[in-house]
Amino acid sequence: SQTIHQWPATLVQPVGSPLSLECTVEGTSNPNLYWYRQAAGRGLQLLFYSVGIGQISSEVPQNLSASRPQDRQFILSSKKLLLSDSGFYLCAWSSDSNQPQHFGDGTRLSIL
Amino acid sequence: AQSVTQPDIHITVSEGASLELRCNYSYGATPYLFWYVQSPGQGLQLLLKYFSGDTLVQGIKGFEAEFKRSQSSFNLRKPSVHWSDAAEYFCAVKAAGNKLTFGGGTRVLVKP
Repeated sequence: SQTIHQWPATLVQPVGSPLSLECTVEGTSNPNLYWYRQAAGRGLQLLFYSVGIGQISSEVPQNLSASRPQDRQFILSSKKLLLSDSGFYLCAWSSDSNQPQHFGDGTRLSIL
Repeated sequence: AQSVTQPDIHITVSEGASLELRCNYSYGATPYLFWYVQSPGQGLQLLLKYFSGDTLVQGIKGFEAEFKRSQSSFNLRKPSVHWSDAAEYFCAVKAAGNKLTFGGGTRVLVKP
């Protein structure tokens, strides 16, 4: 069966520091991969999605970037974090764009 | 562009009582529709999906949802709520492309 892993589960970072969140999927090939942010008390905002290695689509302009160096690995990065980057970051995968997305357990990011 | 509205931010229900969560969407054609549940600090779990066919769909954990095209709605129901159903519930719409649009969520509190 397919599984999705995100780490770390919790992260506290100072303003201006870099960020790297990792997401990996097991048990499937060539998945669509997604990064979402969930601000406190709000719904989910799609940040990036990828349909293949090296293919990244950005949904909103921001301080973050994403990369897909391997088929089942999706990385969310920032060179310099802002206070507004705080939130709950969720990675998801789907077998194709018309199938349901399946979510990881998320990373709680706090910026100090 | 598609949009999703969940009119109820919070709902409190007694254990054993029935539950109905409202979801209205805006999209020109018939979208793919989903309900997800999120426990505190966790990722989202798919409850059920509607793609086509029978407008009453059954999901996991005893939930069901009914698609009503005339009302642009996809309401989630459960006949008898358990304390473990306390969580946040998200309705989502998938239209053209890769984007899944989420509603703002409904937080369900269960009274003993």
